Amino acid sequence: QSVLTQPPSASGTPGQRVTISCSGRTSNIGSNYVYWYQQLPGTAPKLLISKNNQRPSGVPDRFSGSKSGSSASLAISGLRSEDEADYYCAAWDDRLSGGVFGGGTKLTVI
Amino acid sequence: QVQLVESGGGVVQPGGSLRLSCAASGFTFSSYGIHWVRQAPGKGLEWVAVISYDANDKYYADSVKGRFTISRDNSKNTLYLQMNSLRAEDTAVYYCAKAERVAARVLGLDVWGQGTTVTVSS
Repeated sequence: QSVLTQPPSASGTPGQRVTISCSGRTSNIGSNYVYWYQQLPGTAPKLLISKNNQRPSGVPDRFSGSKSGSSASLAISGLRSEDEADYYCAAWDDRLSGGVFGGGTKLTVI
Repeated sequence: QVQLVESGGGVVQPGGSLRLSCAASGFTFSSYGIHWVRQAPGKGLEWVAVISYDANDKYYADSVKGRFTISRDNSKNTLYLQMNSLRAEDTAVYYCAKAERVAARVLGLDVWGQGTTVTVSS
């Protein structure tokens, strides 16, 4: 059971907008930045969203992040087939004194 | 280019030990915290440990605390993970990842290695 809760799966058709939620608590998302990662099959994770809503260089503006209280979400607009991947949220947890990841959401582009 | 390369993975019996290494290049290694993150077969990402840029601060996941030790040698641009008392549940791909800032207690990891596989089995 992961400290951060994500839906195990999400899906959408090309061009559609999808959102992935990440629920935590005051000690993690509520007190610290949230980060999002994309992991394509067989590859290492890639930082997709930094500090709640900032896109690292090279990440398309189709990807956006937001945070409210102890929850966060990742939105992908203009869905493309190459967006099919696993997505993880992550944050530091002050109570655990450690990092925590969500369980991951497998995005399928139908 | 900015790069992290892990090594040292392999097959080890339960109760055994293994030391992973992570060689860094292309950036000022001594200026950043570095994390270990693992992924069991078919499972999600699990944070393992972090060490601050100067090695003064170290944090561990409860699942490895007391068994794993993170360390670094800034003169060699290398990170280590000493893993003792290994269990079957430690079987995973182990990634080292560079923090995007100096601070250790952030999960913004902007550079990842390719991973090294650890299998704990008799």
